[in-house]
Amino acid sequence: QKEVEQNSGPLSVPEGAIASLNCTYSDRGSQSFFWYRQYSGKSPELIMFIYSNGDKEDGRFTAQLNKASQYVSLLIRDSQPSDSATYLCAVNQQGGNTPLVFGKGTRLSVIA
Amino acid sequence: DAGVIQSPRHEVTEMGQEVTLRCKPISGHNSLFWYRQTMMRGLELLIYFNNNVPIDDSGMPEDRFSAKMPNASFSTLKIQPSEPRDSAVYFCASRSGRGSDTQYFGPGTRLTVL
Repeated sequence: QKEVEQNSGPLSVPEGAIASLNCTYSDRGSQSFFWYRQYSGKSPELIMFIYSNGDKEDGRFTAQLNKASQYVSLLIRDSQPSDSATYLCAVNQQGGNTPLVFGKGTRLSVIA
Repeated sequence: DAGVIQSPRHEVTEMGQEVTLRCKPISGHNSLFWYRQTMMRGLELLIYFNNNVPIDDSGMPEDRFSAKMPNASFSTLKIQPSEPRDSAVYFCASRSGRGSDTQYFGPGTRLTVL
């Protein structure tokens, strides 16, 4: 069973700090990687995706990918209380039109 | 553009009743996915379609669950008979499949089986 693993949390950070969310995946052939944010009672919404090793920045968010270590992370700079949510890591293991495999998510709490 | 549309948003039913969940994918998307989310098991893929054809239904829990996609604009997930353990949030998602593997989720249907 190919898996995507995340620490369930909760991860608590003070307002203004950097939140670091981590994800590991078991399928070495995985090709694309996604971070979704899910507020309580809402559906997952895409934050960003990354395909290549290294960093990808979008505003306060940075995704980091290390395929050799099978590790993906999401950094949130200047964390705000509105960032409090569950963050889901998702991986496209086979490419093409195959479904994303989701981790169970990490719950982030930003304390004002 | 309208996103993925699901109905109903909430469904409360009694054990043994038939439940039908509906989904309209984003126009032009050619892949559709049905997921179920619970606290214990997270987001689980039930079935997915490419170009209206079911590709993998190995996630469907048992024969009580069935899904159809009669055309590119509509899909249903049916549970018959429903059981209390089916209580969960059911999400539909779609993907364009043309150079993008990003999945877009509908608002979900919260199902409660009493």
